[in-house]
Amino acid sequence: AQSVTQLGSHVSVSEGALVLLRCNYSSSVPPYLFWYVQYPNQGLQLLLKYTSAATLVKGINGFEAEFKKSETSFHLTKPSAHMSDAAEYFCAVSETSGTYKYIFGTGTRLKVLA
Amino acid sequence: EPEVTQTPSHQVTQMGQEVILRCVPISNHLYFYWYRQILGQKVEFLVSFYNNEISEKSEIFDDQFSVERPDGSNFTLKIRSTKLEDSAMYFCASSQGGGRSNQPQHFGDGTRLSIL
Repeated sequence: AQSVTQLGSHVSVSEGALVLLRCNYSSSVPPYLFWYVQYPNQGLQLLLKYTSAATLVKGINGFEAEFKKSETSFHLTKPSAHMSDAAEYFCAVSETSGTYKYIFGTGTRLKVLA
Repeated sequence: EPEVTQTPSHQVTQMGQEVILRCVPISNHLYFYWYRQILGQKVEFLVSFYNNEISEKSEIFDDQFSVERPDGSNFTLKIRSTKLEDSAMYFCASSQGGGRSNQPQHFGDGTRLSIL
């Protein structure tokens, strides 16, 4: 079965610093991968998706992620953190066995320090 | 931009009572899902629904749970006899394509269910 691991349940960065949120997946075939953001008391908003078209994926709000098959990773980055980026970030993988569900990581709460 | 809407935003129910959570998926979407997130834990898949039937359900989705698409717009999750451990945030999602398409799932803002 697919699984997703997000290293670091809490990450703190200074405003203007690089944001790096880690995601590793387990899959024998390249999956579809997604990053979602959840602001307080809100739902899950799609940041970006990897669907095998390009390994470097650009998303909304200046975020991007790189699919590295050799490392089974899909880490999320942003060059310069803004206060408004403070939220919880979830990595998800879509099943590849003909089912349709997402499997989510445990989430990483990003704190941005002034 | 079209969005998935969920009502109510917060539901408080006595243990043992039935509860219905409502969702209006995006209108041209074909696949529908329910997920839940217990406080402090990760988002877990409950059930997927396509072509008016359940396409997959998780171990969590036992006989106490049911889903229905009663008309062309609503998608509901019913918990027949709620338990304390059903307290969670429940998310509805929809997508145009299934898991092997490049169409992502769009999520609603969730219903926070509190069982007393």
